[in-house]
Amino acid sequence: QVQLVQSGAEVKKPGASVKVSCESSGYDISWVRQAPGQGLEWMGWINGYSVSTNYAPKFQGRVSMTTDKSTSTVYMELRSLRSDDTAVYYCARDLGGYGKLDYWGQGALVTVSS
Amino acid sequence: DIQMTQSPSSLSASVGDRVTITCRASHGIRNSLNWYQQKSGKAPELLIHTASTLQGGVPSRFSGSGSATDFTLTISNLQPEDFATYYCQQSYSTPRTFGQGTKLEIK
Repeated sequence: QVQLVQSGAEVKKPGASVKVSCESSGYDISWVRQAPGQGLEWMGWINGYSVSTNYAPKFQGRVSMTTDKSTSTVYMELRSLRSDDTAVYYCARDLGGYGKLDYWGQGALVTVSS
Repeated sequence: DIQMTQSPSSLSASVGDRVTITCRASHGIRNSLNWYQQKSGKAPELLIHTASTLQGGVPSRFSGSGSATDFTLTISNLQPEDFATYYCQQSYSTPRTFGQGTKLEIK
């Protein structure tokens, strides 16, 4: 049974950073976000060994995806937060980075507000 | 980036109906097209991958077809649990991109 468990909701001020975790059992993971009432937006991918990452150009320079192999947890850190970063952030299994997102975490709401 | 355009944006139908949702890619993506279902307040779920392969556990009333730039998701014999929002997504190149979604509502 594949289960991805994410960290809880966060409230951040503009300009701050947020780090969302995903217990991933060592799987390759993509991160996808969804602003309130909006569609899905792919942010990037990290392989289970943390050897490779592939970030969407929109987030390049502002996002980091890392893996803690000791706890099989993947992290997504987003910096210089703006109000339009308010969204639910999902991790999803993406084996080999082929883009088939077959299992998803429950999502973590990040609210950016002054 | 490859743009994905879904139509319609919303759709009303009744239990037992057959509905079709269309997804068009701005460039040819072969069969690298996935469909997801998202219910209110929940994470998306994978329904179909590589354009027409049903994900395990997905009912056979769901089907997908298409290649290159034009794809369809068909739901036959709509059930109450099928009323949700559906997204297509291309897995041909990065950045992965999604359609804007189609909200399927009960008539």
